[in-house]
Amino acid sequence: AQSVTQLDSQVPVFEEAPVELRCNYSSSVSVYLFWYVQYPNQGLQLLLKYLSGSTLVESINGFEAEFNKSQTSFHLRKPSVHISDTAEYFCAVTHKAAGNKLTFGGGTRVLVKP
Amino acid sequence: EPEVTQTPSHQVTQMGQEVILRCVPISNHLYFYWYRQILGQKVEFLVSFYNNEISEKSEIFDDQFSVERPDGSNFTLKIRSTKLEDSAMYFCARGNRGRGGELFFGEGSRLTVL
Repeated sequence: AQSVTQLDSQVPVFEEAPVELRCNYSSSVSVYLFWYVQYPNQGLQLLLKYLSGSTLVESINGFEAEFNKSQTSFHLRKPSVHISDTAEYFCAVTHKAAGNKLTFGGGTRVLVKP
Repeated sequence: EPEVTQTPSHQVTQMGQEVILRCVPISNHLYFYWYRQILGQKVEFLVSFYNNEISEKSEIFDDQFSVERPDGSNFTLKIRSTKLEDSAMYFCARGNRGRGGELFFGEGSRLTVL
């Protein structure tokens, strides 16, 4: 069985400040890891993913996440947030045999203040 | 532009009534999924559907739920006799097996059972 824990349910942050959203997972097999973002009144959008290879993955809008196998973590970071980054962020995990059956964390709501 | 379009965006129904939620992909795909998110809780997997058959379902997906693709295009989730605890946001997603679990979600259908 897999599980995902997002330790912070809400993260208030000022514009242009850095932000880190924590994600820890548990799994007995090799995993694929994802961050999805949900902007207000919208669906879930894939932000970035780790499948294999480089442990540092980046999105097109400045977010990055690092897969750390020893710490079973996949924390999401952005060095300087914008008002438009206000959203809920979900970490998710799956593995090869599970296909596209994702296990989600509880989400972290990021509120960027001017 | 979302990969899948969901209708209705919001439905209010009385307990015991049947509800059908619809999902229309932009292009022809074989893999479809339903997830749901009860307010304040995690996004949960309900069912996966491949080549017009259920490939996997969760414990939540009991006899009250059914899925079908009646005309080869629309993908529907039916709840036969709604309960209060069925109130949630229901997300349809399409995926491509072999791409490591990447899912493309619709904007969701909010179901409110009174």
